Amino acid sequence: SQELEQSPQSLIVQEGKNLTINCTSSKTLYGLYWYKQKYGEGLIFLMMLQKGGEEKSHEKITAKLDEKKQQSSLHITASQPSHAGIYLCGADGTGTASKLTFGTGTRLQVTL
Amino acid sequence: DVKVTQSSRYLVKRTGEKVFLECVQDMDHENMFWYRQDPGLGLRLIYFSYDVKMKEKGDIPEGYSVSREKKERFSLILESASTNQTSMYLCASNQGQPHEQFFGPGTRLTVL
Repeated sequence: SQELEQSPQSLIVQEGKNLTINCTSSKTLYGLYWYKQKYGEGLIFLMMLQKGGEEKSHEKITAKLDEKKQQSSLHITASQPSHAGIYLCGADGTGTASKLTFGTGTRLQVTL
Repeated sequence: DVKVTQSSRYLVKRTGEKVFLECVQDMDHENMFWYRQDPGLGLRLIYFSYDVKMKEKGDIPEGYSVSREKKERFSLILESASTNQTSMYLCASNQGQPHEQFFGPGTRLTVL
């Protein structure tokens, strides 16, 4: 079965600093999904990556999928308190998006 | 605007009770999913459904059953609740590959 490892598990950054969260898969990915979760709430979709080498950006968040499609990174530029939450990556290992495997998440705190 | 709703945000039940968690989506999606989320374990798929009256077991189906009588509604049933089923339950839906899953706000279930 597919396993996803996220690093770091938690992160505290000062407002305005940049940060990177990594997601590594034990198998080749058909698709990689990034979500954000505020404590005690549901998941909010951020971005989906499918092609090796693909990179997508939305506002100050950039996600990349490596050429071998086994690792993804999420980069936040000039972090703000609104970026605080739990970031989860979800992997599609079958090509159907019907069964996603999720990492355990990275908890981000942004201090003033 | 896309919407997945869950019947309760918080629920407290006693050991041995039969528990129903309801999920409704208004996007005419084919697929619906039930996950549970526990600290350190991430999201784990319990069951999913790819059509009305169709269901497939996820990674941890033991102790649970599901029902999908109408396309928009997917119910998770705990036949006889146990304390180890205390968790956050998240429902999601999507239209299939390669579309992202949309999540509900979650139900935090406590079994005493």
